[in-house]
Amino acid sequence: GAVVSQHPSWVICKSGTSVKIECRSLDFQATTMFWYRQFPKQSLMLMATSNEGSKATYEQGVEKDKFLINHASLTLSTLTVTSAHPEDSSFYICSAGGYEQYFGPGTRLTVT
Amino acid sequence: DAKTTQPPSMDCAEGRAANLPCNHSTISGNEYVYWYRQIHSQGPQYIIHGLKNNETNEMASLIITEDRKSSTLILPHATLRDTAVYYCIVRVVGTNAGKSTFGDGTTLTVKP
Repeated sequence: GAVVSQHPSWVICKSGTSVKIECRSLDFQATTMFWYRQFPKQSLMLMATSNEGSKATYEQGVEKDKFLINHASLTLSTLTVTSAHPEDSSFYICSAGGYEQYFGPGTRLTVT
Repeated sequence: DAKTTQPPSMDCAEGRAANLPCNHSTISGNEYVYWYRQIHSQGPQYIIHGLKNNETNEMASLIITEDRKSSTLILPHATLRDTAVYYCIVRVVGTNAGKSTFGDGTTLTVKP
């Protein structure tokens, strides 16, 4: 099946700093990508829909100024966690595709 | 998207068939049933999807009831590597295709 990659696979940052996570579709073009967050022992929660060439659509309760999404090309979406705090520590996962949504391997963010 | 309900956990003996049920009683006519699984600390892996007919691929079979209010994922010969959290999702195909609402899933444990 189609491949979606994420970079980095894990990152540790200090409180107050920003961190960027990349999501790439490797063998197909994606006008839409989705970002999810997963806390330990919980299910995936949709954060936002990333739209190529236009603004992202955020789910209720997700701060758009804190989680900046850029979808500048048909194969790349980035999620920037700004002014990170320890409560932002989580597993961030993106997905892309059509009928068969393919998920990336996830990025483990730890904020110290 | 419609809500799904799944049993929180199931056990299965290695080599036997694993049958994972899912209820989606409020499914709409334009929603497909998708199954994914997530192995610890990885992104969800696509397994299979269907609309109303039974489907089979190299990984599993999907049985959807005639009224489409429930479905069963069948892993015909479970192996230890099939131990994972299995998610049943119903999703609209079309505009904003791919936006997924995850429930709590079923933790399948395959035992030797």
